[in-house]
Amino acid sequence: ELKVEQNPLFLSMQEGKNYTIYCNYSTTSDRLYWYRQDPGKSLESLFVLLSNGAVKQEGRLMASLDTKARLSTLHITAAVHDLSATYFCATRGATNKLIFGTGTLLAVQP
Amino acid sequence: SAVISQKPSRDICQRGTSLTIQCQVDSQVTMMFWYRQQPGQSLTLIATANQGSEATYESGFVIDKFPISRPNLTFSTLTVSNMSPEDSSIYLCSVERFEVSETQYFGPGTRLLVL
Repeated sequence: ELKVEQNPLFLSMQEGKNYTIYCNYSTTSDRLYWYRQDPGKSLESLFVLLSNGAVKQEGRLMASLDTKARLSTLHITAAVHDLSATYFCATRGATNKLIFGTGTLLAVQP
Repeated sequence: SAVISQKPSRDICQRGTSLTIQCQVDSQVTMMFWYRQQPGQSLTLIATANQGSEATYESGFVIDKFPISRPNLTFSTLTVSNMSPEDSSIYLCSVERFEVSETQYFGPGTRLLVL
């Protein structure tokens, strides 16, 4: 059974600092998705990574995928309060269904 | 992208009753999914809503508890039957449009509280 784990589960960071969220998955997959969820809201797609070595950047967020290590990272540069949210990674299992990670609650303090 | 609406947006229900959640998409899609997100938790796939055939349920979810309809390519319903407080969750509809992108899109969710 495919498992998707994120760490940390909770991250409190100061504005202006850099940090990385890690997403590990347990079986072979060459697709990795990052979503953002604000409190009381639905999921917003951030990045779709479709191959080994893929790197995508949007503003202060950069996501990468290493399929051999079964690892994706979401790097935050010079955090701002607006980035406070829960971030989920997800990948596809054997039946091609989207399986979500545990989520990382990010709180950026002024 | 895909614009997805869900009704109701939230509801408070008594145990033992049933609630039907509607999901409407602004364009035809092949794949529609229903997810549950319990408070403070990640998303769990309930089932895939197939047009013209029965839904495909994931382990731990059964048709008697979560009957699903998919009458056409833009609409689906999920019923939460014989509710108990453990059913209090956010229920999310999701669609895929591979012809547009690999991204799976999510509706705004239905927040259900069972007393």
